[in-house]
Amino acid sequence: AQTVTQSQPEMSVQEAETVTLSCTYDTSESNYYLFWYKQPPSRQMILVIRQEAYKQQNATENRFSVNFQKAAKSFSLKISDSQLGDTAMYFCAFMKSYGGSQGNLIFGKGTKLSVKP
Amino acid sequence: NAGVTQTPKFQVLKTGQSMTLQCAQDMNHEYMSWYRQDPGMGLRLIHYSVGAGITDQGEVPNGYNVSRSTTEDFPLRLLSAAPSQTSVYFCASSYFNYKEAEAFFGQGTRLTVV
Repeated sequence: AQTVTQSQPEMSVQEAETVTLSCTYDTSESNYYLFWYKQPPSRQMILVIRQEAYKQQNATENRFSVNFQKAAKSFSLKISDSQLGDTAMYFCAFMKSYGGSQGNLIFGKGTKLSVKP
Repeated sequence: NAGVTQTPKFQVLKTGQSMTLQCAQDMNHEYMSWYRQDPGMGLRLIHYSVGAGITDQGEVPNGYNVSRSTTEDFPLRLLSAAPSQTSVYFCASSYFNYKEAEAFFGQGTRLTVV
């Protein structure tokens, strides 16, 4: 069974600075997908960034980038130039790419990020 | 472009009452799922469906029932609500292939059982 671990329950960062959220996972699969979701106080689940395990290049989306270390099973999220609107709960999630229960997301417990002015 | 529509947004139930959370998607995805979110627990899978007429249990299925009569709709039924079912519920619709995948979520339902 797959597991996802987020070891930082809460973090804070000053506006305009950079912060990195950690995520590790455990799986015996060789192909899979990893995601970071943002959940602001509105409760909406918003996809921040996605990484396909078969891609060696780290994904980037504007101010958001990941450090994907497949051998170490690590998938950290870096937020550059933090903005007040980045304040939210962030979830790391894993999805198998084939086989039974493909499509099921396995979530970490989340990291609550506060951006301070 | 509605995506995933989930209703209601809020609900208060008395212990023992039943209710149905509605979920509909307009993206023609075969895969749909229900999660519950509890403080400090992340999101956990309740039930999922890989297509019309096919459903299966997730990690925390007890007390919930689902059916999938059409590709678009995937309702979640609470047969006899219990305080332990107080939670935030999310419906999701997903696509995936050998190259990419993505899950789209409804707005969530905050359910309180008293």
